[in-house]
Amino acid sequence: DGGITQSPKYLFRKEGQNVTLSCEQNLNHDAMYWYRQDPGQGLRLIYYSQIVNDFQKGDIAEGYSVSREKKESFPLTVTSAQKNPTAFYLCASSREPGGRTEAFFGQGTRLTVV
Amino acid sequence: AQSVAQPEDQVNVAEGNPLTVKCTYSVSGNPYLFWYVQYPNRGLQFLLKYITGDNLVKGSYGFEAEFNKSQTSFHLKKPSALVSDSALYFCAVRRSGSARQLTFGSGTQLTVLP
Repeated sequence: DGGITQSPKYLFRKEGQNVTLSCEQNLNHDAMYWYRQDPGQGLRLIYYSQIVNDFQKGDIAEGYSVSREKKESFPLTVTSAQKNPTAFYLCASSREPGGRTEAFFGQGTRLTVV
Repeated sequence: AQSVAQPEDQVNVAEGNPLTVKCTYSVSGNPYLFWYVQYPNRGLQFLLKYITGDNLVKGSYGFEAEFNKSQTSFHLKKPSALVSDSALYFCAVRRSGSARQLTFGSGTQLTVLP
């Protein structure tokens, strides 16, 4: 089945640690996105990539980093510089950047700082 | 700039009654509008979109939405609610012709009471 796979589903991080969230898609989509979801705030864009080896900051990129070395993979690293990382993280992809096509979402990773 | 407002954090409706989840938007130019649904601890699922053409858009699971340009609204509707429709609903907007990513509303929790 085609889709987007995020792993792990749950992740616990100690303060001061970097952690990497995985996102893989087999939909052959060009564009990929990372969103952060907090209660009552909807989804906020962290980073997005329109094509391999290229990515742009979203609205809340501080404390996060990404890479896009392969079309199907868009990992997100939450660094120790992110002051409040506890949240639900959603990865998405779409056939084309912007435009008329809808985004497809993974099942999410819930990150908790302990 | 583009923005979405979902004025109701919570909507309760009895099973079998019609439901409406409200969404208003602000965007310069013509909008592309989307509705997504989220079940607990899951990713977002696409329901429907308005790109152009008929103002009444039909989507998955019996949902529909009406685009009203003069009122800048895109309300989600269903003629007869099911208990299984209980979930968190998000409206999203993008300006047509723009590479800017989707902007999401804060979400509306729909509860269908048996």
